[in-house]
Amino acid sequence: GQNIDQPTEMTATEGAIVQINCTYQTSGFNGLFWYQQHAGEAPTFLSYNVLDGLEEKGRFSSFLSRSKGYSYLLLKELQMKDSASYLCAAMDSNYQLIWGAGTKLIIKP
Amino acid sequence: IAGITQAPTSQILAAGRRMTLRCTQDMRHNAMYWYRQDLGLGLRLIHYSNTAGTTGKGEVPDGYSVSRANTDDFPLTLASAVPSQTSVYFCASSDSTQGTDTQYFGPGTRLTVL
Repeated sequence: GQNIDQPTEMTATEGAIVQINCTYQTSGFNGLFWYQQHAGEAPTFLSYNVLDGLEEKGRFSSFLSRSKGYSYLLLKELQMKDSASYLCAAMDSNYQLIWGAGTKLIIKP
Repeated sequence: IAGITQAPTSQILAAGRRMTLRCTQDMRHNAMYWYRQDLGLGLRLIHYSNTAGTTGKGEVPDGYSVSRANTDDFPLTLASAVPSQTSVYFCASSDSTQGTDTQYFGPGTRLTVL
């Protein structure tokens, strides 16, 4: 079957770095997406990886290892506004997104 | 402002009633999607449409129907609502011609079925 695993909740300190891991199993693979979702709001696109390696975009970076079925989202210089849920989603061979349940990130001052 | 709009924002509905959730996008995206989001679960695909005039079933289609008469609109209908359809519903769209198929989401509709 198809499955996405990510931690349910993480806590980090303002100004620190946090890494949110995601493992996936899909029928075929056409890329890995990360979205941010603040409470009561819609998911918003953060990053897309289809090749192995690290993609950096400001304070956020995303890494992919296709051979290991593994990705992580790295958030640097954490700010209070980064408190949100982070959703990992893998695109299968039918170009459908398989979604994880999300990781709730709590930032403490 | 370009994007996706959904209506209503929220709704309380009696079981057995018919309800249509509206979704409109002005980005000329070819593909559109309906998801439901429940606490502790990932987004689950209800129905999708790869282009105007075509629709397909997702992971949880039972009890829902969709139509795609034109590029911009993608309404979701609950023919006879049941309490298990209480959820937050998100509409999304993507331009699959761009390769990455990044999906962009509307603000959501919070539906409660009593």
